[in-house]
Amino acid sequence: DTEVTQTPKHLVMGMTNKKSLKCEQHMGHRAMYWYKQKAKKPPELMFVYSYEKLSINESVPSRFSPECPNSSLLNLHLHALQPEDSALYLCASSQDPGAIGYTFGSGTRLTVV
Amino acid sequence: AQSVTQLDSQVPVFEEAPVELRCNYSSSVSVYLFWYVQYPNQGLQLLLKYLSGSTLVKGINGFEAEFNKSQTSFHLRKPSVHISDTAEYFCAVTQGGGGNKLTFGTGTQLKVEL
Repeated sequence: DTEVTQTPKHLVMGMTNKKSLKCEQHMGHRAMYWYKQKAKKPPELMFVYSYEKLSINESVPSRFSPECPNSSLLNLHLHALQPEDSALYLCASSQDPGAIGYTFGSGTRLTVV
Repeated sequence: AQSVTQLDSQVPVFEEAPVELRCNYSSSVSVYLFWYVQYPNQGLQLLLKYLSGSTLVKGINGFEAEFNKSQTSFHLRKPSVHISDTAEYFCAVTQGGGGNKLTFGTGTQLKVEL
């Protein structure tokens, strides 16, 4: 298995809702990443997990809450989002935090209404 | 700090013509360079990467790129494009190490026309 799987592929949520994005990989990678990509823009790093511990938070608002329950799974919990948070959320993984090169998932398209 | 510049936001080209997408980087230390492709409503797919060694790197789908340290460039080329190459192309750079932050350029929209 050489893939990063993200679910759901599409999500529409209200500003008062709580939802979660899921990312899973079975390549034995020990670093996982969340990126946010607005339309017509490059991806921007949000969080990095190294060996299941949060190592980088790029000053992301607290309405985004990451979680890494085990080495294969990465979640992004969403609460009280704003319409401007609508974007493509990409998950990626790498063999370890120092490894060069990521494998990206196909993303979750989030729309906040 | 590292950064990547993609000067061309859009590149139109006719099918079977050659194409070059430009990428320049800035870094005070050694870097690793990547090209990713993103088809509409999809994630990112790695085209090729430069880590070390030969400066000419060959990737998937007939693409290649040349690392030029003196010009701090990593331009992507394909000798003959196809309609299916229409997509957004991102150049990216990392210095590696702990955290391994990947920094992307602003992207180049390649539009292949008949």
